[in-house]
Amino acid sequence: DAKTTQPPSMDCAEGRAANLPCNHSTISGNEYVYWYRQIHSQGPQYIIHGLKNNETNEMASLIITEDRKSSTLILPHATLRDTAVYYCIVRVRRGGSNYKLTFGKGTLLTVNP
Amino acid sequence: NAGVTQTPKFQVLKTGQSMTLQCAQDMNHNSMYWYRQDPGMGLRLIYYSASEGTTDKGEVPNGYNVSRLNKREFSLRLESAAPSQTSVYFCASSEEETGYTNRAPEAFFGQGTRLTVV
Repeated sequence: DAKTTQPPSMDCAEGRAANLPCNHSTISGNEYVYWYRQIHSQGPQYIIHGLKNNETNEMASLIITEDRKSSTLILPHATLRDTAVYYCIVRVRRGGSNYKLTFGKGTLLTVNP
Repeated sequence: NAGVTQTPKFQVLKTGQSMTLQCAQDMNHNSMYWYRQDPGMGLRLIYYSASEGTTDKGEVPNGYNVSRLNKREFSLRLESAAPSQTSVYFCASSEEETGYTNRAPEAFFGQGTRLTVV
């Protein structure tokens, strides 16, 4: 799996958009970008994933650059409950042992009142 | 739906004791995983099972054994616990990616087992 680079921490004001960047400059054409978050040592929670197109769901939006070397997770209206560690992960689409997810240290997002 | 259930939630062991961490999923997933998380660190893969009857080592398998008992259950065993195995253990499961769709499966995680070895 490709290595990802994320800032160790970020702050965001409640009600504002939180934009979390991720660099994955060595990503391959068959690798997806996944985002998970972990709230206060609970089990990680899936947020969103994408291959090359921008994606949106009820939780967040994912913007992937045209060259796919970086992406941004956007939480449009951050709340205090969004305070968590956010993990950006790239993973091959298929292939036996490559189903596994490899986690880095992630970004600690703190949403302030 | 229960999703992924881990037992126990907390455990304290003495060095040298053995124990088995249990994990069960009710989503009919083929793939299951065991991770450990140490303070301030990301999750590290211990073992995984791509399908019933198969298991493979992850990044940090030493000191652990696993059993994929059936499609639902994937257990992690510590034969002789050591203080270095003090950690939070997470089990996860995901669908098998068939390759015939553009959908890449997400993984669902349990709530963790907090293990302390003294």
